[in-house]
Amino acid sequence: GDSVTQMEGPVTLSEEAFLTINCTYTATGYPSLFWYVQYPGEGLQLLLKATKADDKGSNKGFEATYRKETTSFHLEKGSVQVSDSAVYFCALQETSGSRLTFGEGTQLTVNP
Amino acid sequence: GAVVSQHPSRVICKSGTSVKIECRSLDFQATTMFWYRQFPKQSLMLMATSNEGSKATYEQGVEKDKFLINHASLTLSTLTVTSAHPEDSSFYICSARVVGRVFYEQYFGPGTRLTVT
Repeated sequence: GDSVTQMEGPVTLSEEAFLTINCTYTATGYPSLFWYVQYPGEGLQLLLKATKADDKGSNKGFEATYRKETTSFHLEKGSVQVSDSAVYFCALQETSGSRLTFGEGTQLTVNP
Repeated sequence: GAVVSQHPSRVICKSGTSVKIECRSLDFQATTMFWYRQFPKQSLMLMATSNEGSKATYEQGVEKDKFLINHASLTLSTLTVTSAHPEDSSFYICSARVVGRVFYEQYFGPGTRLTVT
């Protein structure tokens, strides 16, 4: 079945550091890919998405490119802020339905 | 737009009692809602898919008699945890799919923290 693998956390960075959170997936078809963010005590918010190969999703300084050849969707940000501290989930959605499959989540802490 | 609310945000109940959690789409109609469970420091586990006017579809391993789901209208789905036990303590999150939009648009509620004592 479909699956999503994220890099293990937690990740701790200093403010203005460069961020990469790796995400790879396994799917039988051509899924859509997502990054969600969860702030403490809250539900998930969609951060960005890409629906086909080579698409780049971007939002709030974060970006990720759908790489079919490496089955990856790594999340990057050039300069993180303290307010970016949260848990980040990579997810995929099968083309045949609307079920989301989530990765394990990566806790990011940004220190001033 | 596309706001999903959950009520209550936190609930503490005694073992053996039942608890109802509401999920509402506030400014759109949702034919499909999803219920997830999240354990501390873990990912979301899909429990069931709820379609308006029909029975919910439960994921393998989820007890349908224990986790009762009702989707009576296009804006409301409820999850009732029956005869709750401490192992049911968790963070429950719902999401809703927008009617008429492309299939991948889901919006998540803020979650409900259930603690069973």
